Amino acid sequence: DAGVIQSPRHEVTEMGQEVTLRCKPISGHNSLFWYRQTMMRGLELLIYFNNNVPIDDSGMPEDRFSAKMPNASFSTLKIQPSEPRDSAVYFCASSLTSGRLNEQFFGPGTRLTVL
Amino acid sequence: TQLLEQSPQFLSIQEGENLTVYCNSSSVFSSLQWYRQEPGEGPVLLVTVVTGGEVKKLKRLTFQFGDARKDSSLHITAAQPGDTGLYLCAGGQGGKLIFGQGTELSVKP
Repeated sequence: DAGVIQSPRHEVTEMGQEVTLRCKPISGHNSLFWYRQTMMRGLELLIYFNNNVPIDDSGMPEDRFSAKMPNASFSTLKIQPSEPRDSAVYFCASSLTSGRLNEQFFGPGTRLTVL
Repeated sequence: TQLLEQSPQFLSIQEGENLTVYCNSSSVFSSLQWYRQEPGEGPVLLVTVVTGGEVKKLKRLTFQFGDARKDSSLHITAAQPGDTGLYLCAGGQGGKLIFGQGTELSVKP
């Protein structure tokens, strides 16, 4: 079975440009999470969805960041306009909500560089 | 804000040595997970513990959940170069996970 799929794997853009990251969760999983990982701050939760509905977006750093999940098999994270401090690895993860376990499966990540 | 503190942050040892990584919090978690991440990849789940005092073994790795479900430890026996990577603990709270900062382990041959 395919795991979580993310695209692109690498993105290099210039400051001010719009960036869109894409994620396809594992089929049948009903929760989807977007994380950002940096050396300084580690792995931070940005937003998560249950059954395509955003539940907690308190980790989204600013209004420049937005996320959507139009259906159970696709989600996007958009940054507009991008800034150099947005450079990081962005991970998408999915899980099957099952009581206390919260076991998440991560994609390979998108390495974003904003020049 | 709930925090999970891992220690040590960095660990460099020789092949064959034993090591322990700690994960501590002042908060109670419904479950605690350990992930391992290699460069250029996403974290991969190693184990989930849910019961206070629970001990799980995965080959040379032993995981323990504290009695009060606030802390956990990962012990590796006879470390090998293939164990090199970033080890992350994560506490389950509601529908999400709170991650520790990670322990970067390097095992030299």
